[in-house]
Amino acid sequence: SAVISQKPSRDICQRGTSLTIQCQVDSQVTMMFWYRQQPGQSLTLIATANQGSEATYESGFVIDKFPISRPNLTFSTLTVSNMSPEDSSIYLCSVGLGLKGDTQYFGPGTRLTVL
Amino acid sequence: GQQLNQSPQSMFIQEGEDVSMNCTSSSIFNTWLWYKQDPGEGPVLLIALYKAGELTSNGRLTAQFGITRKDSFLNISASIPSDVGIYFCAGRSGGSNYKLTFGKGTLLTVNP
Repeated sequence: SAVISQKPSRDICQRGTSLTIQCQVDSQVTMMFWYRQQPGQSLTLIATANQGSEATYESGFVIDKFPISRPNLTFSTLTVSNMSPEDSSIYLCSVGLGLKGDTQYFGPGTRLTVL
Repeated sequence: GQQLNQSPQSMFIQEGEDVSMNCTSSSIFNTWLWYKQDPGEGPVLLIALYKAGELTSNGRLTAQFGITRKDSFLNISASIPSDVGIYFCAGRSGGSNYKLTFGKGTLLTVNP
């Protein structure tokens, strides 16, 4: 497994502002992922962020709204841009480990509330 | 897209009872994962399954990868109060696609 930390753990933001969420891993990993979990819901993949390439976004998520950086093998950021109350969610990063990289471990999440 | 049907949605049981929950898919998965999420926390991996028919245990937890590769179940034996939480199944279809598809979760409540 891996030790994954996220900053901030929670935040309350005003409509129209942007928030950057950081994800730090204690070992080098190729595959990192960003998920959104809306209140009372399951997890939805926003994008895959592999080092050395552009992030790959899932249907319904766009780079202008959720820009992602992956500067090295232990770190990634997700920015939630021009926020609205509908963006209030838990944002989670995960890393893919194992022989096939298909076992994902999650960070503790960032709880975002947009007023 | 792929969908996972997870059932039951919620369960209320007495401490000491056994629990079973399952996920079914409309398509084949090559990997099944089971997670537990406590309030305010990220999901924690409980069991990972990689082969059809595989049966894996982790303490009081047992999970199986269905032979058809379209289903998986998780059993918890002799439940205790700290088993309370939301349990999610997740599947990966395989190849170069590492995307996980998640079930909607099973909320487990254990009455002491």
